[in-house]
Amino acid sequence: DIQMTQSPSTLSASVGDRVTITCRASQSISNWLAWYQQKPGKAPKLLIYKASSLESGVPSRFSGSGSGTEFTLTISSLQPDDFATYYCQQYNSYSGTFGQGTKVEIK
Amino acid sequence: EVQLVESGGGLVQPGGSLRLSCAASGFTFSSYWMSWVRQAPGKGLEWVANIKQDGSEKYYVDSVKGRFTISRDNAKNSLYLQMNSLRAEDTAVYYCARLGPMIADYWGQGTLVTVSS
Repeated sequence: DIQMTQSPSTLSASVGDRVTITCRASQSISNWLAWYQQKPGKAPKLLIYKASSLESGVPSRFSGSGSGTEFTLTISSLQPDDFATYYCQQYNSYSGTFGQGTKVEIK
Repeated sequence: EVQLVESGGGLVQPGGSLRLSCAASGFTFSSYWMSWVRQAPGKGLEWVANIKQDGSEKYYVDSVKGRFTISRDNAKNSLYLQMNSLRAEDTAVYYCARLGPMIADYWGQGTLVTVSS
């Protein structure tokens, strides 16, 4: 089974900061990686798919990169609405393992 | 507008059974793979199961194999999760999600399953 490892688990940052979250796969997943944002009590929201494609309606300050086993989610200038938990997910037809999540907190 | 509405959650004793439903609307349900994802209280997301458009392929996380069954009724635009032999560790909010394609692009609001005596 493919394992996904995110780092850091928690990140403290200020509005306007550039934030980077890393996700590593236990084996190559090509670019079959998505990023989600989740706020307390809400369903996750898709941000990025195919490692670097921005979902429609998602602000351009969010970007994704990487392929193979190492991926990053970058928020270029953190906004108040961005304080949330972020998850990566590898996906294919037969599984969809998530990383353990990264909570972005206000510094 | 795409809508996914889960139902069927509740309190069940260990070893019991529960059937979750997900009513889909706003898209051609029969054209999409569908998925169940769960989240234990205060924990991260865990993929549970996927089902192909016609129900001919189904995949499960190891921890629920043999106990959970994903199914669908395309005539009713509905997705189901039959959960048997429930354990305390199955306590979670269960989300249904549309896979478009293979990515969970739309999610329901979730339904809470609590396994406790």
